[in-house]
Amino acid sequence: NAGVMQNPRHLVRRRGQEARLRCSPMKGHSHVYWYRQLPEEGLKFMVYLQKENIIDESGMPKERFSAEFPKEGPSILRIQQVVRGDSAAYFCASAQGRSYEQYFGPGTRLTVT
Amino acid sequence: KQEVTQIPAALSVPEGENLVLNCSFTDSAIYNLQWFRQDPGKGLTSLLLIQSSQREQTSGRLNASLDKSSGRSTLYIAASQPGDSATYLCAVSDRGSNSGYALNFGKGTSLLVTP
Repeated sequence: NAGVMQNPRHLVRRRGQEARLRCSPMKGHSHVYWYRQLPEEGLKFMVYLQKENIIDESGMPKERFSAEFPKEGPSILRIQQVVRGDSAAYFCASAQGRSYEQYFGPGTRLTVT
Repeated sequence: KQEVTQIPAALSVPEGENLVLNCSFTDSAIYNLQWFRQDPGKGLTSLLLIQSSQREQTSGRLNASLDKSSGRSTLYIAASQPGDSATYLCAVSDRGSNSGYALNFGKGTSLLVTP
Protein backbone atom coordinates (compact mmCIF):
# COMPACT_ATOMS: atom_id res chain seq x y z
CA ASN A 1 0.00 0.00 0.00
CA ALA A 2 1.78 3.08 -1.26
CA GLY A 3 2.00 6.04 1.05
CA VAL A 4 1.08 9.62 0.29
CA MET A 5 2.88 10.79 -2.83
CA GLN A 6 3.81 14.33 -3.71
CA ASN A 7 5.39 15.64 -6.86
CA PRO A 8 7.53 17.25 -7.77
CA ARG A 9 9.83 16.85 -4.78
CA HIS A 10 11.71 19.99 -5.70
CA LEU A 11 10.42 22.88 -7.76
CA VAL A 12 12.23 26.04 -8.83
CA ARG A 13 10.22 28.95 -10.17
CA ARG A 14 11.10 32.52 -11.07
CA ARG A 15 9.14 35.36 -9.57
CA GLY A 16 5.84 35.79 -11.36
CA GLN A 17 5.55 32.21 -12.60
CA GLU A 18 2.96 29.68 -11.48
CA ALA A 19 3.67 26.70 -9.24
CA ARG A 20 1.55 23.53 -9.25
CA LEU A 21 2.05 21.03 -6.47
CA ARG A 22 0.42 17.60 -6.60
CA CYS A 23 -0.61 15.25 -3.85
CA SER A 24 -1.88 11.70 -4.31
CA PRO A 25 -3.46 10.43 -1.08
CA MET A 26 -3.13 6.93 0.26
CA LYS A 27 -5.49 4.39 -1.24
CA GLY A 28 -8.89 4.64 0.39
CA HIS A 29 -8.29 8.14 1.75
CA SER A 30 -10.66 10.86 0.59
CA HIS A 31 -9.53 13.68 2.89
CA VAL A 32 -6.50 15.86 2.17
CA TYR A 33 -4.81 18.58 4.19
CA TRP A 34 -2.12 20.95 2.93
CA TYR A 35 0.48 22.47 5.27
CA ARG A 36 3.32 24.91 4.66
CA GLN A 37 6.65 24.99 6.47
CA LEU A 38 8.47 28.29 6.06
CA PRO A 39 12.19 28.46 6.90
CA GLU A 40 12.70 28.49 10.67
CA GLU A 41 8.94 28.21 11.22
CA GLY A 42 6.64 25.42 12.26
CA LEU A 43 4.19 23.75 9.92
CA LYS A 44 1.03 25.78 9.37
CA PHE A 45 -2.32 24.48 8.18
CA MET A 46 -3.45 25.89 4.84
CA VAL A 47 -6.48 24.04 3.53
CA TYR A 48 -8.62 20.95 4.09
CA LEU A 49 -10.37 19.25 1.20
CA GLN A 50 -12.57 16.28 0.55
CA LYS A 51 -13.24 14.94 -2.91
CA GLU A 52 -14.60 17.83 -5.01
CA ASN A 53 -15.07 20.06 -1.94
CA ILE A 54 -13.03 22.64 -0.07
CA ILE A 55 -14.05 22.24 3.56
CA ASP A 56 -11.82 24.81 5.21
CA GLU A 57 -9.37 27.21 3.61
CA SER A 58 -8.90 29.44 6.63
CA GLY A 59 -5.12 29.03 6.50
CA MET A 60 -4.72 29.95 2.85
CA PRO A 61 -3.40 33.36 1.84
CA LYS A 62 -6.26 35.36 0.37
CA GLU A 63 -4.63 35.95 -2.99
CA ARG A 64 -2.70 33.84 -5.51
CA PHE A 65 -3.28 30.51 -3.71
CA SER A 66 -5.92 27.96 -4.64
CA ALA A 67 -6.49 24.26 -4.07
CA GLU A 68 -8.62 21.54 -5.55
CA PHE A 69 -9.25 17.85 -5.10
CA PRO A 70 -11.15 16.55 -8.14
CA LYS A 71 -13.20 13.40 -8.30
CA GLU A 72 -10.40 11.74 -10.25
CA GLY A 73 -6.72 12.48 -9.86
CA PRO A 74 -4.52 14.12 -7.28
CA SER A 75 -5.12 17.16 -5.15
CA ILE A 76 -3.49 20.28 -6.59
CA LEU A 77 -2.15 23.29 -4.71
CA ARG A 78 -1.68 26.14 -7.13
CA ILE A 79 0.29 29.31 -6.50
CA GLN A 80 0.02 32.03 -9.08
CA GLN A 81 2.59 34.79 -9.61
CA VAL A 82 4.99 33.37 -7.06
CA VAL A 83 7.11 35.66 -4.90
CA ARG A 84 10.27 34.93 -2.90
CA GLY A 85 8.24 34.67 0.29
CA ASP A 86 6.47 31.60 -1.13
CA SER A 87 9.71 29.62 -0.89
CA ALA A 88 8.92 26.86 1.58
CA ALA A 89 8.27 23.17 1.98
CA TYR A 90 4.67 22.24 1.21
CA PHE A 91 3.34 19.05 2.76
CA CYS A 92 0.12 17.25 2.18
CA ALA A 93 -1.46 14.70 4.48
CA SER A 94 -4.30 12.32 3.79
CA ALA A 95 -6.81 10.65 6.09
CA GLN A 96 -9.62 8.12 5.88
CA GLY A 97 -12.05 10.48 7.48
CA ARG A 98 -12.51 13.78 9.20
CA SER A 99 -11.10 12.77 12.57
CA TYR A 100 -8.73 10.03 11.52
CA GLU A 101 -4.95 9.97 11.78
CA GLN A 102 -3.18 11.96 9.09
CA TYR A 103 -0.38 10.46 7.01
CA PHE A 104 2.13 12.86 5.50
CA GLY A 105 3.81 12.90 2.14
CA PRO A 106 7.51 13.70 1.61
CA GLY A 107 6.79 17.31 0.72
CA THR A 108 7.53 19.60 -2.20
CA ARG A 109 10.29 22.10 -1.68
CA LEU A 110 9.54 25.25 -3.64
CA THR A 111 12.31 27.73 -4.35
CA VAL A 112 11.45 31.06 -5.92
CA THR A 113 14.38 32.84 -7.55
CA LYS B 1 -6.40 30.04 18.95
CA GLN B 2 -4.36 26.98 19.82
CA GLU B 3 -0.68 27.63 20.52
CA VAL B 4 1.79 24.74 20.74
CA THR B 5 5.18 25.22 22.36
CA GLN B 6 8.07 22.79 22.48
CA ILE B 7 10.94 22.93 24.93
CA PRO B 8 13.86 22.74 24.52
CA ALA B 9 14.35 24.02 20.99
CA ALA B 10 17.57 22.02 20.71
CA LEU B 11 19.15 19.23 22.68
CA SER B 12 22.47 17.41 22.45
CA VAL B 13 23.07 14.24 24.46
CA PRO B 14 25.61 11.40 24.44
CA GLU B 15 24.51 8.04 23.17
CA GLY B 16 22.75 5.86 25.71
CA GLU B 17 21.07 8.62 27.69
CA ASN B 18 17.36 8.68 28.40
CA LEU B 19 15.74 11.96 27.48
CA VAL B 20 12.47 13.85 27.68
CA LEU B 21 11.02 16.28 25.16
CA ASN B 22 8.27 18.62 26.28
CA CYS B 23 5.21 19.97 24.53
CA SER B 24 2.59 22.35 25.88
CA PHE B 25 -0.65 23.60 24.36
CA THR B 26 -2.97 26.42 25.37
CA ASP B 27 -6.43 24.96 24.68
CA SER B 28 -7.13 21.67 26.44
CA ALA B 29 -10.12 20.84 24.20
CA ILE B 30 -8.05 18.70 21.89
CA TYR B 31 -9.09 15.68 19.88
CA ASN B 32 -5.70 14.03 19.75
CA LEU B 33 -1.97 14.70 19.97
CA GLN B 34 0.71 13.33 17.68
CA TRP B 35 4.47 13.19 17.88
CA PHE B 36 6.38 13.21 14.60
CA ARG B 37 9.96 12.85 13.57
CA GLN B 38 11.40 14.93 10.73
CA ASP B 39 14.82 14.29 9.24
CA PRO B 40 16.56 17.17 7.40
CA GLY B 41 14.97 17.78 4.03
CA LYS B 42 12.51 14.95 4.53
CA GLY B 43 8.86 14.48 5.32
CA LEU B 44 7.19 13.68 8.62
CA THR B 45 7.11 10.25 10.18
CA SER B 46 4.38 9.67 12.73
CA LEU B 47 5.77 8.22 15.95
CA LEU B 48 2.86 8.11 18.36
CA LEU B 49 -0.78 9.21 18.36
CA ILE B 50 -2.58 9.77 21.66
CA GLN B 51 -6.34 10.21 21.66
CA SER B 52 -7.75 12.76 24.10
CA SER B 53 -9.18 9.97 26.26
CA GLN B 54 -5.80 8.28 26.62
CA ARG B 55 -2.95 9.05 29.02
CA GLU B 56 -0.02 7.51 27.17
CA GLN B 57 1.18 5.49 24.22
CA THR B 58 4.30 3.37 23.82
CA SER B 59 6.23 2.15 20.82
CA GLY B 60 9.57 0.46 21.34
CA ARG B 61 11.92 2.88 23.09
CA LEU B 62 9.40 5.73 22.83
CA ASN B 63 6.74 6.63 25.35
CA ALA B 64 4.44 9.63 25.07
CA SER B 65 2.21 10.89 27.84
CA LEU B 66 -0.69 13.31 27.74
CA ASP B 67 -2.06 15.48 30.54
CA LYS B 68 -4.92 17.30 28.90
CA SER B 69 -5.96 19.29 31.95
CA SER B 70 -2.55 20.91 32.27
CA GLY B 71 -2.02 21.15 28.52
CA ARG B 72 1.14 19.08 28.45
CA SER B 73 2.68 16.12 26.72
CA THR B 74 6.10 14.54 27.04
CA LEU B 75 7.99 12.26 24.71
CA TYR B 76 10.40 9.96 26.51
CA ILE B 77 13.18 8.32 24.50
CA ALA B 78 15.02 5.52 26.25
CA ALA B 79 18.62 4.56 25.57
CA SER B 80 19.13 7.15 22.84
CA GLN B 81 21.08 6.25 19.69
CA PRO B 82 22.78 8.40 17.03
CA GLY B 83 20.04 7.31 14.62
CA ASP B 84 17.54 9.15 16.83
CA SER B 85 19.05 12.47 15.74
CA ALA B 86 16.26 14.43 14.06
CA THR B 87 13.72 17.14 14.75
CA TYR B 88 10.77 16.01 16.86
CA LEU B 89 7.45 17.74 16.29
CA CYS B 90 4.42 17.83 18.54
CA ALA B 91 1.01 18.52 16.98
CA VAL B 92 -2.48 18.77 18.43
CA SER B 93 -5.81 18.44 16.71
CA ASP B 94 -8.64 20.57 18.07
CA ARG B 95 -11.97 18.97 18.77
CA GLY B 96 -14.83 20.26 16.70
CA SER B 97 -12.98 22.95 14.85
CA ASN B 98 -14.09 23.92 11.39
CA SER B 99 -10.72 22.86 10.08
CA GLY B 100 -11.69 19.20 10.21
CA TYR B 101 -9.18 18.36 12.90
CA ALA B 102 -6.25 20.06 11.20
CA LEU B 103 -3.05 19.80 13.18
CA ASN B 104 -1.46 22.67 15.08
CA PHE B 105 2.30 22.16 15.22
CA GLY B 106 5.02 23.29 17.58
CA LYS B 107 8.31 24.47 16.13
CA GLY B 108 10.04 21.27 17.18
CA THR B 109 12.98 20.09 19.24
CA SER B 110 16.17 19.45 17.29
CA LEU B 111 17.89 16.42 18.85
CA LEU B 112 21.50 15.42 18.33
CA VAL B 113 22.73 12.17 19.84
CA THR B 114 26.51 11.92 19.75
CA PRO B 115 28.38 8.60 19.63
